Amino acid sequence: GENVGLHLPTLSVQEGDNSIINCAYSNSASDYFIWYKQESGKGPQFIIDIRSNMDKRQGQRVTVLLNKTVKHLSLQIAATQPGDSAVYFCAENIGNNDMRFGAGTRLTVKP
Amino acid sequence: SAVISQKPSRDICQRGTSLTIQCQVDSQVTMMFWYRQQPGQSLTLIATANQGSEATYESGFVIDKFPISRPNLTFSTLTVSNMSPEDSSIYLCSVDTGTGSTYEQYFGPGTRLTVT
Repeated sequence: GENVGLHLPTLSVQEGDNSIINCAYSNSASDYFIWYKQESGKGPQFIIDIRSNMDKRQGQRVTVLLNKTVKHLSLQIAATQPGDSAVYFCAENIGNNDMRFGAGTRLTVKP
Repeated sequence: SAVISQKPSRDICQRGTSLTIQCQVDSQVTMMFWYRQQPGQSLTLIATANQGSEATYESGFVIDKFPISRPNLTFSTLTVSNMSPEDSSIYLCSVDTGTGSTYEQYFGPGTRLTVT
């Protein structure tokens, strides 16, 4: 069946550098996407979302890019900090607010 | 926004027994969800629990194994029945506080279950 997946399962970056986390999806009908951050021992936390009628959305230090042509979603974190270390999940709305999650990428920030 | 609490936060159970996980939300919500997150894995939706109707289960999950209650708009329980080691996982409660065209999903802290 259609699903959401990630190109890279792990990512290690130097503190202060920018991070880019990628996600591929295959459900062309998905109209809404969310990025979540999950720290150890906690539930996922909403970071930023984007609708399919947009290709870019910016938040505080984070930017989400959506390329519907190649069904690709990315999360960019500027000036990555140690507190950004976590697992990041993308999720897509496959319909009726049914969110399906990708495999997750573990981001490690080196001081 | 919504603040969600879960009880217990963790438990170690013997195979063949059952555990009921409670989810409490600080506001009234229509849509509640139960997810499972196996170690090092992503989240998998178990079921959607709307107040006043039977829970809707995803493929691979059945009511006999994961009975759900939704007695009111702020509370739900998920029971993991006749547990086996394969049920060892984190179980997360989630709510959607969005209205109409908006979508705002919040998660509880999770219940870490270990079955021996």
